[in-house]
Amino acid sequence: QSALTQPPSASGSPGQSVTISCTGSISDVGTYKYVSWYQQHPGKAPKLLIYEVNKRPSGVPDRFSGSKSGNTASLTVSGLQAEDEADYYCNSYAGGNNWVFGTGTKVTVL
Amino acid sequence: QLQLQESGPGLVKPSETLSLTCSVSGGSINNKNYYWGWIRQPPGKGLEWIGSIHYSGTTYYTPSLNSRVTISVDTSKNQLSLRLSSVTAADTAVYYCARHSYYYDSSGSFYYFDYWGQGTLVTVSS
Repeated sequence: QSALTQPPSASGSPGQSVTISCTGSISDVGTYKYVSWYQQHPGKAPKLLIYEVNKRPSGVPDRFSGSKSGNTASLTVSGLQAEDEADYYCNSYAGGNNWVFGTGTKVTVL
Repeated sequence: QLQLQESGPGLVKPSETLSLTCSVSGGSINNKNYYWGWIRQPPGKGLEWIGSIHYSGTTYYTPSLNSRVTISVDTSKNQLSLRLSSVTAADTAVYYCARHSYYYDSSGSFYYFDYWGQGTLVTVSS
């Protein structure tokens, strides 16, 4: 099972929006709605941001939103803030009780 | 508040077996809606799911590590454990344990990693 493909980096100025893609295949993202997104600050554990493609857990700001089209899922961070500078990872169910993470994207707030 | 804490040797020799324990506090491992997972992250690299276990003993592993990994659970101690055999330098990573929500009900489906330990660095070196 190969890792899902994410762009290595993305950036935006404070207040702007940034969208991160997560490309898989018909075997994972393209078939299942169990796509989640995680934010990881340096030296810290990942934090759940989005689950089931576009649902936010309690406490996650609505600046974070998710979507999916075909084999690609996306995370959009609107109204960028300095604290949004972090690494972001997608995760998808890949069938057969197998789970796969994305390669990760480093978001820089300019 | 649920808390998870990894523990174990920080240095393992090549060809030996890596062993880690994850202690869960603030909640019981004995919940039918949750699995408990191990995820690792090599220095400067991305996350890799290793496997997840249910308190009943049902276990799922990533195919690439299936021949070398064993995850077990001790419900009396509220702990889960990871064993990875025949390690090489490529197994050097921060190892995280996490709660793996794994259920659906009338309000929706819940499949994600929602509580994580702080992680522990394991270096494979002679």
